Formats: sequence, C-alpha cells, structure tokens
Amino acid sequence: AQSVTQLDSHVSVSEGTPVLLRCNYSSSYSPSLFWYVQHPNKGLQLLLKYTSAATLVKGINGFEAEFKKSETSFHLTKPSAHMSDAAEYFCALMDSSYKLIFGSGTRLLVRP
Amino acid sequence: GAVVSQHPSWVICKSGTSVKIECRSLDFQATTMFWYRQFPKQSLMLMATSNEGSKATYEQGVEKDKFLINHASLTLSTLTVTSAHPEDSSFYICSAPSGSLTEAFFGQGTRLTVV
Repeated sequence: AQSVTQLDSHVSVSEGTPVLLRCNYSSSYSPSLFWYVQHPNKGLQLLLKYTSAATLVKGINGFEAEFKKSETSFHLTKPSAHMSDAAEYFCALMDSSYKLIFGSGTRLLVRP
Repeated sequence: GAVVSQHPSWVICKSGTSVKIECRSLDFQATTMFWYRQFPKQSLMLMATSNEGSKATYEQGVEKDKFLINHASLTLSTLTVTSAHPEDSSFYICSAPSGSLTEAFFGQGTRLTVV
C-alpha cells in the first residue's frame, strides 16, 4: 500500500532563511508526487509535481523539490522564506486509481 | 489551467437538515471526481470516489447513506450530507484528475457548520 509521511508537523523559520519541509513516501511503483499549499479556510494550491521526468522539480513562488528514489523522499525547499509563505503544506502521492494520498501536513511558521 | 468550481464555499445548517455541495469541472470533462473531508488542523481524508453514470465508491468507515454522491454528468458531482449533525462539521473538498491523469484539480472547498 502507498503512504506519505511528513516528518515535521511544524517548521519555524525566520524570514529570509531557507525552508526545508520533509516528505517520505512508500510505493511499490514509481509514483507521481505533489506538494500543495493551503492557506486558512482555503482550498489547495499546487506548488509543484513530479511525474517521472526531471528529478529536480521547480514550482511556483520559488519552491522546488527533489525526487530521490534511493531515499524515497521528496523534500520541499525554498532558498529564502517570505512572510506570505506561512501556511499548511501537504505532500501527496497519486495512486493507481488517480486519487491522492496525503501526508499529515506541515505548518510553516515564518518569523519576522 | 483547468478549473474545478465548488459551491457553496461555506454553509451553516441546523442539525437534522440536509446540505448539498456541488463540484463542477468548468473546462474539462471528469468521469471521476473525488470527495475529501478535512477536520481542523488535520490532513485531507478521502471519503469517496464519484463515478459518472454509476455508483460512488466509498472509503471504509464512510456511511454511504449519510453522504450521498451523485455524478449525473461529466462536469458535475454533488455531495449531499443527509440529516447533518454537529460532528459532520468539517471542510469538504472535491477534486478531479486532469485529462492526462497526471495531476488533480481541486475545488475551493466548502466549510460546513452544523448547529
């Protein structure tokens, strides 16, 4: 069975410093992986996706993620955090039925 | 990009009444749509898979008689919460896979509060 594990429930960074949100997955095949951001009481916005092309994926708002098969990881990074990045972030895997399996989420706090 | 529109964005209803939530794919056809529920400070949990022209498939633990799903056309799926109770208060989100089946498009979500 496929699963997604987000290793940190909360991450706190200072504005202007790098962001690292960790995601590990379990899958019997090479999966499609996604990162979404959710602001309070809002829907999900796609940041980026990996679908078996380049392992380093660039997304919107300066985010990127690297697919590492050997580590079964898909960590999300950003070189410099902005106050507007404060939100909930979800890593997700698309299963063979095209539905998404979500991690538990990571709340990113950005300190001024 | 493709757009999924969900309506209403929020609704308050009395305990015991029913509420219908609509999910529309605006510029593409979706034979399959997914309904998720998100409790406060929690992740999204899949409730059911909505299939155009056939019965929905419910995840384990989800009451199909309470959460009625209808997918009567290629662009519309509805979720009806019947005899709503306060514990049904949650954020409900629908999604539809893209035509290439490489990503999912999400509606804006519906905040349901049962009083």
